[in-house]
Amino acid sequence: QVTLRESGPALVKPTQILTLTCTFSGFSLSTSGMCVSWIRQPPGKALEWLARIDWDDDKYYSTSLKTRLTISKDTSKNQVVLTMTNMDPVDTATYYCARIQLASPGAMDVWGKGTTVTVSS
Amino acid sequence: QSALTQPASVSGSPGQSITISCTGTSSDVGAYKYVSWYQQHPGKAPKLMIYDVSNRPSGVSNRFSGSKSGNTASLTISGLQAEDEADYYCSSYTSSSTLVFGGGTKLTVL
Repeated sequence: QVTLRESGPALVKPTQILTLTCTFSGFSLSTSGMCVSWIRQPPGKALEWLARIDWDDDKYYSTSLKTRLTISKDTSKNQVVLTMTNMDPVDTATYYCARIQLASPGAMDVWGKGTTVTVSS
Repeated sequence: QSALTQPASVSGSPGQSITISCTGTSSDVGAYKYVSWYQQHPGKAPKLMIYDVSNRPSGVSNRFSGSKSGNTASLTISGLQAEDEADYYCSSYTSSSTLVFGGGTKLTVL
């Protein structure tokens, strides 16, 4: 059974750096074709794709946020980490991680439950 | 990358069929077969309903179907049920190797 779980601070202050961890099980990011993406959803708003990391360590970022995002993986711990710099209240959202299998690069087939992050002083 | 365009809301009565459109560009929806649809109930994580334009993951009802023509993809739900009431999002792979979502459509079952 494939599961993903997001973790991180519930509250960050403006200008701070946000670090989120996605811990997964049921698959390995050392397996060819496996990828993990991060997605966020501000309260009452639409989903927004943020970043993806592949089994071979290729990384892809949202064009609008790429200067603020860094995605990395620790294969031995089955974890993917997303950092976002210079946090602002507009970054308040639920952050999700999800698995992608590269045979269908547009399909996030298993999602975590999400972690809510509030940006406020 | 601009968001894909979806109607803000659609509605239908139980047993009816509804279709949700998702319009992109020749750099995303029109360029690839990698369009997906997600269902999201309030307070829950999204659930993959359709991938690669028209494929259903195991366990998804065959009442859900997808199609694409040019730069517009569509999700059709037939035999509407009360449990189908949710938000629906389309997404597409893009020429930049990124993903883009639609703005979401709220489905109301009357």
